[in-house]
Amino acid sequence: DIQMTQSPSSLSASIGDRVTITCRASQSISSSLNWYQQEPGKAPNLLIYAASSLHRGVPSRFSGSESETEFTLTISSLRPEDFATYYCQQTHTTPFTFGQGTQLEIK
Amino acid sequence: QVHLVESGGGVVQPGRSLRLSCAASGFTFSSYAMHWVRQAPGKGLEWVAVISYDGTNKFYADSVKGRLTISRDNSKNTLFLQMNSLRPEDTAVYYCASPYCNETGSCFGLDYWGQGNLVTVSS
Repeated sequence: DIQMTQSPSSLSASIGDRVTITCRASQSISSSLNWYQQEPGKAPNLLIYAASSLHRGVPSRFSGSESETEFTLTISSLRPEDFATYYCQQTHTTPFTFGQGTQLEIK
Repeated sequence: QVHLVESGGGVVQPGRSLRLSCAASGFTFSSYAMHWVRQAPGKGLEWVAVISYDGTNKFYADSVKGRLTISRDNSKNTLFLQMNSLRPEDTAVYYCASPYCNETGSCFGLDYWGQGNLVTVSS
C-alpha cells in the first residue's frame, strides 16, 4: 500500500500568514493527489485535485504544487474560515490512502 | 443539486452485522464510481472501499477486506456497505462520496459527500 506522510500534524498561525502543509508519498503517484479541508462535525470539502488544480468555488489563496513524491498545499494569506483540518489523499492506486491530517489553529 | 443521504447506522455488538445505505440524487448515479470513507471519533479520515459505476469492480482497504462489502443498485440510485463481523475498531462515522469528474470523463478526488452516519460497535 502507498503510505502518505503528512506534516506537520498541527500548526498555529495568525490571520494573514502564509502557511504550507506537506504530504510525501511512499512511492510515485504521478499527480494523483488531492487536498481536503474539514471543519469539526462536517464532511470534508475538496480543495485541490490532481496536485495543483483548484476545485470549483475554492478561493485562489489556496494552491497546490508537487515535486516528485512531495506535495504541498499553500494558503497564501490566512482568513478566519481557513482554521480547520486538512488532509491529503492519493488516488493513484487502491487503497486510496489519506494522510494523517494537519490541524490548523489560530495563534 | 447533488444529494447523498446515508442511513442504517447505530449501535451494534461486536461480531454482529449492519448494512449502511446511501441514497443518491441530482446526478446520473449509474455513471459514477462511488466510495465509502470513515472517520473514527477524534481521528483522521480512512478510505474504506470503492465500487465501479456498474458494480463489476470493487476495491477495499486492508483493514476491512473480507468483512465489509460494497455494492450498489443503480435502478434505485443507492449505494450499500454490508458490514459483517464488526469489531470495536470499526466504530466511526461512515461517509459515502462521489468523485469529481471533468468533461473528458477523467475523475479526481471525492467531490460530494453524505452527511455521515455513525456506527458504534460496543457490547
